[in-house]
Amino acid sequence: AQTVTQSQPEMSVQEAETVTLSCTYDTSENNYYLFWYKQPPSRQMILVIRQEAYKQQNATENRFSVNFQKAAKSFSLKISDSQLGDTAMYFCAFMKHVTGANSKLTFGKGITLSVRP
Amino acid sequence: GAVVSQHPSWVICKSGTSVKIECRSLDFQATTMFWYRQFPKQSLMLMATSNEGSKATYEQGVEKDKFLINHASLTLSTLTVTSAHPEDSSFYICSFGSGYEQYFGPGTRLTVT
Repeated sequence: AQTVTQSQPEMSVQEAETVTLSCTYDTSENNYYLFWYKQPPSRQMILVIRQEAYKQQNATENRFSVNFQKAAKSFSLKISDSQLGDTAMYFCAFMKHVTGANSKLTFGKGITLSVRP
Repeated sequence: GAVVSQHPSWVICKSGTSVKIECRSLDFQATTMFWYRQFPKQSLMLMATSNEGSKATYEQGVEKDKFLINHASLTLSTLTVTSAHPEDSSFYICSFGSGYEQYFGPGTRLTVT
């Protein structure tokens, strides 16, 4: 079974600053995906970024980037130039790759990020 | 991105009654559906996985006779909470799975009085 750990329950950052959210996971799988999802006050889940485990290059989406350390089973999210709209709960998630099937997500406990004006 | 709707967005029901939540994909088809439950300030807990035309697979600890899932088509799935009790009050979220993508509905807030 897979586990995803987010040990920081809350973080706060000043607008325009950079913040890093931590995530570790445990798995015996070699082929998998990692995700960061954002859940704003509306509670709609929004995909922030995805990383395929077989790719060494860290994924980047505009102001969002990850530091993927496969050997250490670490997957942190860096948010640059933080904006007020980044205030949300962030979930780290793991998905095992299953050929020809749709696999489930395993979520971490989440972290509440507040961006201060 | 793909659009998923859930109806109703908020429902209040009396203890002992049943309530049905509908999840519909508006612009794509997917064979696999996931239903999650989320308590305030907590993570999403997977309740069950269903494939179109097949019986749902429930996670350990989730009562299949209480949470009835019907996955009638590639665009529609329903979750029925039977004989609801106050402890069933929660936020229920559906998602359609397609490969490594999951497309989430906006969620349904259920309050049982």
